[in-house]
Amino acid sequence: QVLLQESGPGLVRPSETLSLTCSVSGFSIGSQYYWGWIRQSPGKGLEWIGNVYLGGSSYYNPSLNSRVTISMDKSKNQFFLKMNSVTAADTAVYFCAKTFWTGYYTGWFGPWGQGILVTVSA
Amino acid sequence: EIVLTQSPGTLSLSPGDRATLSCRASETVNRAYLAWYQQRPGQAPSLLIYAASTRATDIPERFSGGGSGTDFTLTIANLQPEDFAVYFCQQYGVSPITFGPGTKLEIK
Repeated sequence: QVLLQESGPGLVRPSETLSLTCSVSGFSIGSQYYWGWIRQSPGKGLEWIGNVYLGGSSYYNPSLNSRVTISMDKSKNQFFLKMNSVTAADTAVYFCAKTFWTGYYTGWFGPWGQGILVTVSA
Repeated sequence: EIVLTQSPGTLSLSPGDRATLSCRASETVNRAYLAWYQQRPGQAPSLLIYAASTRATDIPERFSGGGSGTDFTLTIANLQPEDFAVYFCQQYGVSPITFGPGTKLEIK
């Protein structure tokens, strides 16, 4: 059974960098599949952030592309999200998820981690 | 990007009823690359359906998906108490991946 768990600071100051970790158990992220981040806020609903693959290939939502980096550490079975220059609009619950990737730079998600609330505030 | 609209916003039904949820896309969803998720309060979304009509692993047969082009439906037969939740559609026919705003299925 694949389990994902997000971790990181629950409070980030405006203009700083949001950094989250997704720890995966029950499956080696270096063997297969893409791994992604999605966020959910009352104002914007569910929003795809981006995905990473074992070779280091990453794909991002163009609306966030310039601020986001997703990477992975196969040795720790973890992948990471970094989002810089955050504002209050980045306040959301952030989920990590295993992604079934198509050949069209898209995919569907399952399972998901339980999510972590990140608040951007001074 | 493709905008997904879900209707109704809230659906009030009783256990044992049949629920029909709609997801409409602003343009054709290529290859019927559409997924449905269920989200219970305080939990993460959980995959129900992908490729418009293929049930994910361990999803009961009372959940069925259909549609193509711009119009898709999720049908839940014989509603069980645990089915009352929020349901989201998601398209992955073209990047960026987008989600609908959700339909809340509540007990009448």
